[in-house]
Amino acid sequence: QKEVEQNSGPLSVPEGAIASLNCTYSDRGSQSFFWYRQYSGKSPELIMFIYSNGDKEDGRFTAQLNKASQYVSLLIRDSQPSDSATYLCAVIIGDDKIIFGKGTRLHILP
Amino acid sequence: EAGVTQSPTHLIKTRGQQATLRCSPISGHTSVYWYQQALGLGLQFLLWYDEGEERNRGNFPPRFSGRQFPNYSSELNVNALELEDSALYLCASSWAQYFGPGTRLLVL
Repeated sequence: QKEVEQNSGPLSVPEGAIASLNCTYSDRGSQSFFWYRQYSGKSPELIMFIYSNGDKEDGRFTAQLNKASQYVSLLIRDSQPSDSATYLCAVIIGDDKIIFGKGTRLHILP
Repeated sequence: EAGVTQSPTHLIKTRGQQATLRCSPISGHTSVYWYQQALGLGLQFLLWYDEGEERNRGNFPPRFSGRQFPNYSSELNVNALELEDSALYLCASSWAQYFGPGTRLLVL
């Protein structure tokens, strides 16, 4: 059973456009959700954290959570070439379990 | 403030050998979390140490073990290395908020 699913991509988006990344999860008890950016050969960098239904905005990033439909998404506005990376979704289940998706590769086209 | 540090950056071993990886959390943080990121498998939780004790472990065999020292730094030991242990090993403070740069282990 795949607990956290992401489209592996690559997702190609023109520079300046909105990149939309999606993540679905299977455990309805999931409470908190993370989005990470990982450049090739580097470690993941936490960019967003969300636990309430709805939207959370931070600069060009917006996380959207819909617990009823069991998905969390990340929108990147005004996409820049430096946004080209793999984006990981992670879900916290209970108090002590964190499950990561395999990530979506995003490529911003100059 | 120094971030999470890990050593070595790269490690090459042969099958059957043992590997030791090291991590120091952010100053003032008492927990260390170890993760494995193997090609095609994604990031997987390995071990959690807090205050010198193992608090939780992921779905890995017992040959993956570790310890945490009084200064909160930690070692991850992988015994009887197998080819599929080749991966990026990441250490984090605060569960999954601050990751170190990782150790890339290659088993030949």
